[in-house]
Amino acid sequence: QVQLQESGPGLVKSSQTLSLTCSVSGGSVTTGTYYWSWIRQPAGKGLEWIGYVYKSGHTNYNPSLKSRVSISLDTSKNDFSLRLNSVTAADTAVYFCSRWYYDFWGDVWGKGTTVIVSS
Amino acid sequence: QSALAQPASVSGSPGQSITISCAGSSSDIGAFDFVSWYQQHPGKAPRLIIYDVSKRPSGISDRFSGSKSGNTASLTISGLQTEDEADFYCCSYAGDSTRVFGGGTKVTVL
Repeated sequence: QVQLQESGPGLVKSSQTLSLTCSVSGGSVTTGTYYWSWIRQPAGKGLEWIGYVYKSGHTNYNPSLKSRVSISLDTSKNDFSLRLNSVTAADTAVYFCSRWYYDFWGDVWGKGTTVIVSS
Repeated sequence: QSALAQPASVSGSPGQSITISCAGSSSDIGAFDFVSWYQQHPGKAPRLIIYDVSKRPSGISDRFSGSKSGNTASLTISGLQTEDEADFYCCSYAGDSTRVFGGGTKVTVL
């Protein structure tokens, strides 16, 4: 049973870089046809897709975040990471990592980690 | 692309059936049979309850069912139970490797 766990700083200063890692257990990031994804949710609001990385290293990002975001895969550690540059208060949210079957549906989710951007 | 439109809230009494709508366009829901639904309890991660419009993952109650007509998808919860009280989100593939979420619907069990 694949499980995901987010980790990283819970507090990031405005204009700096948010960095999170998603550790994958119970399965390999290199098997299957899965897009390893990041999704966020501001408090009291809906879900926003950030982007994904495929086992080949191919990435795809939300156009609204594309200029600031980078997602990478570390097959040696069986994890994948999110970097979001030049953060502002609008980036304060719960960040979830998730396993998606292509672009179609996310069947495994991490518990989420709260990131607060402070000034 | 614009978020899919869901009602902000839907309520029902225990044992009743409720339906949550998810309105999209001919570019997303109307174009692809890749609608998924997620249940999210407060403080928890979303949980996949419907994929490919109407399929249920293993372990999901058959009280949850999904359908689609034109540009609108629907989630029906039958035999409403107190533990069904949660937020529900729809999601659709929108082509060109993009997906769009709905704004979410809060289900209240009266």
